[in-house]
Amino acid sequence: KNQVEQSPQSLIILEGKNCTLQCNYTVSPFSNLRWYKQDTGRGPVSLTIMTFSENTKSNGRYTATLDADTKQSSLHITASQLSDSASYICVVSAFAGNNRKLIWGLGTSLAVNP
Amino acid sequence: SQTIHQWPATLVQPVGSPLSLECTVEGTSNPNLYWYRQAAGRGLQLLFYSVGIGQISSEVPQNLSASRPQDRQFILSSKKLLLSDSGFYLCAWSVHPIEDTEAFFGQGTRLTVV
Repeated sequence: KNQVEQSPQSLIILEGKNCTLQCNYTVSPFSNLRWYKQDTGRGPVSLTIMTFSENTKSNGRYTATLDADTKQSSLHITASQLSDSASYICVVSAFAGNNRKLIWGLGTSLAVNP
Repeated sequence: SQTIHQWPATLVQPVGSPLSLECTVEGTSNPNLYWYRQAAGRGLQLLFYSVGIGQISSEVPQNLSASRPQDRQFILSSKKLLLSDSGFYLCAWSVHPIEDTEAFFGQGTRLTVV
């Protein structure tokens, strides 16, 4: 089982609608959690990065939340646009022994239709 | 401003042929540099990272190698490609270790070994 689980695996919404993507993680403890947007065939682009002490972080129409107690994060997209069609990846920076490591989720594939 | 260049964008190579993928960063000095591979249905996998010229760390044993001949240049190589080397290769850079700070990714190279 992946240590960073994302749901849903894929999602289709109409332009202008809102949506929320989920991320549950089992790694413990961690230093930060981040969300990336990856267009098809392109490299990931950072949307938000949150430390352990942060609960919410916004970047334009993107708002990420983090609940360290339940080990859950969500990414809310407001007033979706066609350009929001992409894969959204949750990444947790976790302690692994004496090292730190990025644990990548498999992403949620979002399609925004006109 | 900082930019990262990665090329080529796509590559089709026969089994047993050599490989050289190049990544360069502009607008910053002494970046941390990373090579990732993204396979279908799997999260990003860290292959190599470098904290300075000539300093390469490998995360997983494989048919690939990396080199950093200049401060802002990172090269991924193979002497003889295998079918299993097919995938989407991403170069990334960060000011501090990638686990702690923002990371910036190149546009990726889609490698198909035939």
